[in-house]
Amino acid sequence: NAGVTQTPKFQVLKTGQSMTLQCAQDMNHEYMSWYRQDPGMGLRLIHYSVGAGITDQGEVPNGYNVSRSTTEDFPLRLLSAAPSQTSVYFCASSYSAGSGIGEQFFGPGTRLTVL
Amino acid sequence: AQSVSQHNHHVILSEAASLELGCNYSYGGTVNLFWYVQYPGQHLQLLLKYFSGDPLVKGIKGFEAEFIKSKFSFNLRKPSVQWSDTAEYFCAAAYNDYKLSFGAGTTVTVRA
Repeated sequence: NAGVTQTPKFQVLKTGQSMTLQCAQDMNHEYMSWYRQDPGMGLRLIHYSVGAGITDQGEVPNGYNVSRSTTEDFPLRLLSAAPSQTSVYFCASSYSAGSGIGEQFFGPGTRLTVL
Repeated sequence: AQSVSQHNHHVILSEAASLELGCNYSYGGTVNLFWYVQYPGQHLQLLLKYFSGDPLVKGIKGFEAEFIKSKFSFNLRKPSVQWSDTAEYFCAAAYNDYKLSFGAGTTVTVRA
């Protein structure tokens, strides 16, 4: 199994540009999520999905869109990039466990710089 | 809103010293608790998790954590650290709304 894969690894954008960060998992996990990691702030949840066709907002959703047309893929779209979106982005997937979610399996991350 | 707080921002230790990292969560209901580690240049990986049962949880690489419900705490411990334990450690809590909340992280530096 490849686990969780993310592309690209690095990206530089100019303010106002749009782009899509790709995420795929081959573990048949229902739950997928996107986080951004910023120094001193830990990881913050952007959007998540509990299954194909179902998405919801996390803690910091503004400026980002997601869709989940298949179980495997969960792309994150930046609509109009801003310098405040400079960050490292992690995709994760997990099975459901009890009343919540189980162990998250993380991708290698995408380091995004917005100039 | 649910939150997770980690008490220490940066901890510096010598090899063989004991480590304890504090973590408190804010929600009083059912919660799944995790500790993740991020080694330099790598992505996050799970150290240990607590869903229910024995409140003393053992994880990989000699780490353990104790869930104390009355204190809303889930502190991480290791009796004797190694240089290879240098990393950033994150406590996280998953509540029944399918949102995982992370603490700000603690950077642990182990000096040889």
